Amino acid sequence: EADIYQTPRYLVIGTGKKITLECSQTMGHDKMYWYQQDPGMELHLIHYSYGVNSTEKGDLSSESTVSRIRTEHFPLTLESARPSHTSQYLCASSEYSGGKETQYFGPGTRLLVL
Amino acid sequence: GESVGLHLPTLSVQEGDNSIINCAYSNSASDYFIWYKQESGKGPQFIIDIRSNMDKRQGQRVTVLLNKTVKHLSLQIAATQPGDSAVYFCAERSNQGAQKLVFGQGTRLTINP
Repeated sequence: EADIYQTPRYLVIGTGKKITLECSQTMGHDKMYWYQQDPGMELHLIHYSYGVNSTEKGDLSSESTVSRIRTEHFPLTLESARPSHTSQYLCASSEYSGGKETQYFGPGTRLLVL
Repeated sequence: GESVGLHLPTLSVQEGDNSIINCAYSNSASDYFIWYKQESGKGPQFIIDIRSNMDKRQGQRVTVLLNKTVKHLSLQIAATQPGDSAVYFCAERSNQGAQKLVFGQGTRLTINP
């Protein structure tokens, strides 16, 4: 079992609200990631971080922002939620060892914007 | 550019049968591959991985095969059980550039009783 946590698990919110999705890991991993996933569909990388004070945009354009002030914490913020943001958001962290880099995922946050 | 795709979006097998899930990739610079299993309402869970210097790797009831010549990856699940029902994703990691994981579309595996 991976020690990576996401809160909330489910969120229903109105258009225009500011929201922050939390992600924490206790494995000491430097690399962390945020993916957006529609049900049963592929994962789209929206943000990643290679360590404290490092953040990069992913392959899928997103109106969200992230911060990485502490190794274990990688929150994602939407300043003004819209119905198009309705999706599942998955957080992951990874370690690199022996030529392998395995990403461990949290349980996800399912977001519904009305 | 990089792309990882699965040949079949859905697969149904009888309980107890073996199943094979396929994945094609296009980046010849990819040197590491992972299979993930995602059950409904959960995040993807690591199943098995393989490095490009190998063509086969076995785990408990699962085997991953890598054919670098045709850029093909497969996941074999032996003696499928109801708990194997899930969406399976392959992912590749390039040894160049940002070295991010690229995920395929996903195959939904359904086990029939």
